Amino acid sequence: SQTIHQWPATLVQPVGSPLSLECTVEGTSNPNLYWYRQAAGRGLQLLFYSVGIGQISSEVPQNLSASRPQDRQFILSSKKLLLSDSGFYLCAWSKPYGGPKSDEQYFGPGTRLTVT
Amino acid sequence: RKEVEQDPGPFNVPEGATVAFNCTYSNSASQSFFWYRQDCRKEPKLLMSVYSSGNEDGRFTAQLNRASQYISLLIRDSKLSDSATYLCVVFLLGNTGKLIFGQGTTLQVKP
Repeated sequence: SQTIHQWPATLVQPVGSPLSLECTVEGTSNPNLYWYRQAAGRGLQLLFYSVGIGQISSEVPQNLSASRPQDRQFILSSKKLLLSDSGFYLCAWSKPYGGPKSDEQYFGPGTRLTVT
Repeated sequence: RKEVEQDPGPFNVPEGATVAFNCTYSNSASQSFFWYRQDCRKEPKLLMSVYSSGNEDGRFTAQLNRASQYISLLIRDSKLSDSATYLCVVFLLGNTGKLIFGQGTTLQVKP
């Protein structure tokens, strides 16, 4: 069965510090990978998605970036955090687009980031 | 207008009650539909996929009306453990497809 891991689970960082969040998926190959952010009391906002190694699409302009150095690894980064970057960051995976149930996404446990 | 709209609630119901959540979507190109459940400070978990006019899974029934661009979730015989936020989600067909999330409806089941 497939599992998705994220770390760290919680993070408190000062404004202006760098960020690196990691997500890995097990039990599947060539998944689509996604980064979402959920701000307090708000809905999920898609930040980035990737259909393969080195292929990143950005949904919203921001001071965040994403990378996919390996098939089942997805990293979210920032060079300098802003207060507005606080939130719950969720990684998700889906089967490659076009196959059965490729529209279903499965989420990792998330990282709760507080920028102080 | 939001792409996916839900009544945020909260819905406060007694155990054993039947409760229904409604959701409307604005893009007629939406291809498939889902209900996710999100517990407090946890990740969303897929509850039901709705590919045709609707489907049923135990106490949960989801219905889809494409003409009205409306989706519903019915929970029968509510349990305390059903307390959570329920997210209505639509899938937009595109180059790679995209999920659009509603902001969620909060359910609190009381003893």
